[in-house]
Order: sequence, then C-alpha cells, then structure tokens
Amino acid sequence: KNQVEQSPQSLIILEGKNCTLQCNYTVSPFSNLRWYKQDTGRGPVSLTIMTFSENTKSNRRYTATLDADTKQSSLHITASQLSDSASYICVVSAPQNAGNMLTFGGGTRLMVKP
Amino acid sequence: ETGVTQTPRHLVMGMTNKKSLKCEQHLGHNAMYWYKQSAKKPLELMFVYSLEERVENNSVPSRFSPECPNSSHLFLHLHTLQPEDSALYLCASSGGLAGGPSSGANVLTFGAGSRLTVL
Repeated sequence: KNQVEQSPQSLIILEGKNCTLQCNYTVSPFSNLRWYKQDTGRGPVSLTIMTFSENTKSNRRYTATLDADTKQSSLHITASQLSDSASYICVVSAPQNAGNMLTFGGGTRLMVKP
Repeated sequence: ETGVTQTPRHLVMGMTNKKSLKCEQHLGHNAMYWYKQSAKKPLELMFVYSLEERVENNSVPSRFSPECPNSSHLFLHLHTLQPEDSALYLCASSGGLAGGPSSGANVLTFGAGSRLTVL
C-alpha cells in the first residue's frame, strides 16, 4: 500500500531558528514529490517539486532534499519567520494513472513563536 | 487568490438538509478535483474530473454527488449527511491530470476550502 509518513506531527520553534521536517514514503513507482504549505483557513500551495534525479532544491528560505534510494525527503526552513506558521504537506505522485495518483502525508503543523 | 474560488466558505447543515458546494476556476485547467480534509488525517481524494468527464470516484458514499457542467465549474451536492462528514472540503484544479506522465507540470492549485459542519 502506498503511504507517506511525515514527522513530527507538530513543531513549535522560536522566530529566527531553523527547523527540518521529514517525509518518508513507500510509493512505487515514483514520479515526483512535492511539498505544500497550507496556511490556516487556506488551501495548500506548492512550495517545491523534487523529481527522481534531484537531490536538493532551494526556494528562498526553504530547502528540500530527496533521497530516492531510502525514499526520504526533508524540508529545511532557515531563519524562520512568524509567517512560516502553517501545515506542511508532503505529496508523492506515481507516473501512471492507476487509482490514487497522488499520495498525501498527514502534514506537519509548524508554529513559529516570537 | 489562487485562481480557484470556493463557495460557501462555511456551511452548517442538519442531517436532513440538501446543500451544494461550488468551485470555479478560470485558469484554463482541464482537471478538477474534490478532496476531503479531516483533522489530523491526510487529504482524501473524493472525485476527479478530466475534461468534464469523471475519471475517479474514490469509494465515496452516495450522499455526496459531484457535478461538472463545464471545465471551469465543479459542484458537490450534499444530502442526508452524517456528523462524521464534517470537514474541510477542498477543490483543486490542474492543467492535466496531476500525478500523470507529465505530472511535473500538473501541480494542483487549491481553493481556500469550504468548512462543513453537520449537526
């Protein structure tokens, strides 16, 4: 069964600190992995996409990594800001249209405190 | 605004009511989706439409009835719901089917959601 597990479930950090969110998946075959940010009361918004051949990708203060061999991804947030408070969702997609094409993780709820 | 608009944003209904959720996108996307988001659970895919044709019905109870009159609009008709159906219902769209062969380009664009409470 395709699964995406995220850890931790929730995290509280102080403004300015760094943090790392984890995503482990069992989806196979694999096409790509996306990280979404979901602010309270809003829908998820894509932050970055990782394909099989990519190991690291940065988007401003967000850096995503992918290890396709161990089926793990991380999202590192540098110099956190209050606006980073949100849920971060890892989504893995399969290359074929077979049943559920996308598998969603349960998300990590991040709270950044002043 | 993401380009995907959902109405209403909040809905409270009794178990015997009939209501509808509406989703509208003017992004020129060909695929539209309904997802259910419950507390502390991953998003659950409910329905997928591609070019106005339903391509996925993910074992959703018949008390949820989707309708896609054109590629820009998607409805979710609700009747005789149960309290456990209370959740955030998210609509999304994508250029092609997300997760498909060209999935790198087919990112999902979500609406803000409709928060449903069933009493």
